[in-house]
Amino acid sequence: EIVLTQSPDFQSVTPKERVIITCRASQSIGGSLHWYQQKPGQSPKLLMKYVSQSLSGDPSRFSGSGSGTDFTLTINGLEAEDVATYYCHQSSSLPYTFGQGTKLEIK
Amino acid sequence: QVELVESGGGVVQPGRSLRLSCAASGFTFRSYAMNWVRQAPGKGLEWVAFMSYDGRKEHYADSVKGRFTISRDNSNDTLYLQMNSLRVDDTAVYYCVRGFTEFGWFDPWGLGTLVTVSS
Repeated sequence: EIVLTQSPDFQSVTPKERVIITCRASQSIGGSLHWYQQKPGQSPKLLMKYVSQSLSGDPSRFSGSGSGTDFTLTINGLEAEDVATYYCHQSSSLPYTFGQGTKLEIK
Repeated sequence: QVELVESGGGVVQPGRSLRLSCAASGFTFRSYAMNWVRQAPGKGLEWVAFMSYDGRKEHYADSVKGRFTISRDNSNDTLYLQMNSLRVDDTAVYYCVRGFTEFGWFDPWGLGTLVTVSS
């Protein structure tokens, strides 16, 4: 099983701050890495597919990068609506796995 | 718009069974792989089961293999999860999720249905 380890687990951030969330895989997963955003009380929502492909309609302040085992999700200029838990997910091999989540809150 | 609506959750005693349903609409259900993903209270996401678009392939997490069965009815745009021999640690919100092929992303997610296993 491929283990995904996110860091940090939790971050308190000020509005407009740049946030970087990392996701490290226990073995290479190529580019089969996706990011989800789960706001409090809501279902997860796809945020980024295949490392860096954002969804149409999503704010451009979100970007993704990485390959192999190390990946990052960057939020350039955090806004209050970005308060959520973010999960990475690998679909390279079964069983599909998720990172443990990174919870962001506004200071 | 694409919509997935789960039903069938509830409170059940350990060792009993429950069947979840997921009604799909807004897209060609028979063309897409489907998954179940669960989230225990206050915890992270755990993939549970996968079924290919045509029902010919199924995969399971080790934690549910032999106890849970995923199935689908493409004529009625519905996905199912039969859960047998339920355990306390199966307590979670169960999400129905569309998959982009067998090795792609998950989108969208349903609202989820809560399963509580308790004596």
